[in-house]
Amino acid sequence: GDSVTQMEGPVTLSEEAFLTINCTYTATGYPSLFWYVQYPGEGLQLLLKATKADDKGSNKGFEATYRKETTSFHLEKGSVQVSDSAVYFCAPSGGTSYGKLTFGQGTILTVHP
Amino acid sequence: DTGVSQNPRHKITKRGQNVTFRCDPISEHNRLYWYRQTLGQGPEFLTYFQNEAQLEKSRLLSDRFSAERPKGSFSTLEIQRTEQGDSAMYLCASSLAEGLETQYFGPGTRLLVL
Repeated sequence: GDSVTQMEGPVTLSEEAFLTINCTYTATGYPSLFWYVQYPGEGLQLLLKATKADDKGSNKGFEATYRKETTSFHLEKGSVQVSDSAVYFCAPSGGTSYGKLTFGQGTILTVHP
Repeated sequence: DTGVSQNPRHKITKRGQNVTFRCDPISEHNRLYWYRQTLGQGPEFLTYFQNEAQLEKSRLLSDRFSAERPKGSFSTLEIQRTEQGDSAMYLCASSLAEGLETQYFGPGTRLLVL
């Protein structure tokens, strides 16, 4: 079945630092790829997505590029803010016609002022 | 668009009791999903509905679990004879019924089994 390997956390950064959270996946077929974020005390929110190879998803300064050849979807942000502190989940959807999501274990990000 | 709602938000029960959770999806969404999230882990898929039809169930969904979506709108997830291992956050999501569409998640129901 599908699986996801995410960079282990927690990740602690100073404000304005560069962020990378690695994500590699295995999936059948041609999945769409998602990053979801969970802020403290809130539900899962879609951060960005990419639906085919070489697509770049972007939102709120975050970016991730669908790399089919390396089966990766690494999340990056050039300058993090304290408000980016959250848990980040990588999730491919594939192997089914309806897009069942397979989540990674999540990466906790803490940004200090 | 009021988003996906779930009730109750928190539930504490004693081992052996039955519990039922409700999910109201975004109104125009045909697909509805249930996931379970334990502490420190990502959500795990439990089951999926297209309209009122339950089309897939995970092996995680033991016989004590049953989900329904009787009119293709809201859904319920019932756990019978709860066990301490059932303690988790139960998440509902919904999406449009077109390809691999984005799933929108509700706030979840946190279950604690004592």
